[in-house]
Amino acid sequence: KNEVEQSPQNLTAQEGEFITINCSYSVGISALHWLQQHPGGGIVSLFMLSSGKKKHGRLIATINIQEKHSSLHITASHPRDSAVYICAAETSGSRLTFGEGTQLTVNP
Amino acid sequence: GAVVSQHPSWVICKSGTSVKIECRSLDFQATTMFWYRQFPKQSLMLMATSNEGSKATYEQGVEKDKFLINHASLTLSTLTVTSAHPEDSSFYICSASLAQETQYFGPGTRLLVL
Repeated sequence: KNEVEQSPQNLTAQEGEFITINCSYSVGISALHWLQQHPGGGIVSLFMLSSGKKKHGRLIATINIQEKHSSLHITASHPRDSAVYICAAETSGSRLTFGEGTQLTVNP
Repeated sequence: GAVVSQHPSWVICKSGTSVKIECRSLDFQATTMFWYRQFPKQSLMLMATSNEGSKATYEQGVEKDKFLINHASLTLSTLTVTSAHPEDSSFYICSASLAQETQYFGPGTRLLVL
């Protein structure tokens, strides 16, 4: 069993739909990261959170420390949101352990 | 946000040669830099963590004599793949962070060893 598990692995949505990607982890963490990787490979850090909820534009990330679970939500999804979304658990020494990623495709 | 660059963005080399990849933090001083490797359809795997002025800490299974990491300054870390073989072909990504802050990722380097 991986230390960080994401679901679903693949997600296809229509433009405008509300999207949720889930992440569960089994290790003790200092923070939980959500990253976005575009087809060219470049990675953008979306959120780093250790409790509660953060919002940036149409993106919302939540974390439940007791349940060791985090979710990434995208409201009013758009084709440009199509990418791989990666959850990563940060442990001691800023070390990141990555989930396998969720391939999101938003169709117009 | 902070900018991290990598050079080169892609490289093709013959088996047995060495390849150096540079990672630079352009607008901040990074106390820690990380090197990751990503094979097709797989997630990122941490290879090593390097702090400026000290030896890198390698993850289990990563050969330190094959993947040489030098973190000579607060803005530059290099990864040298020595005696590269086709199985070393991968996407190499660095990230940089300042004092436990979020990590900023470079754009990655695609390595193809023929």
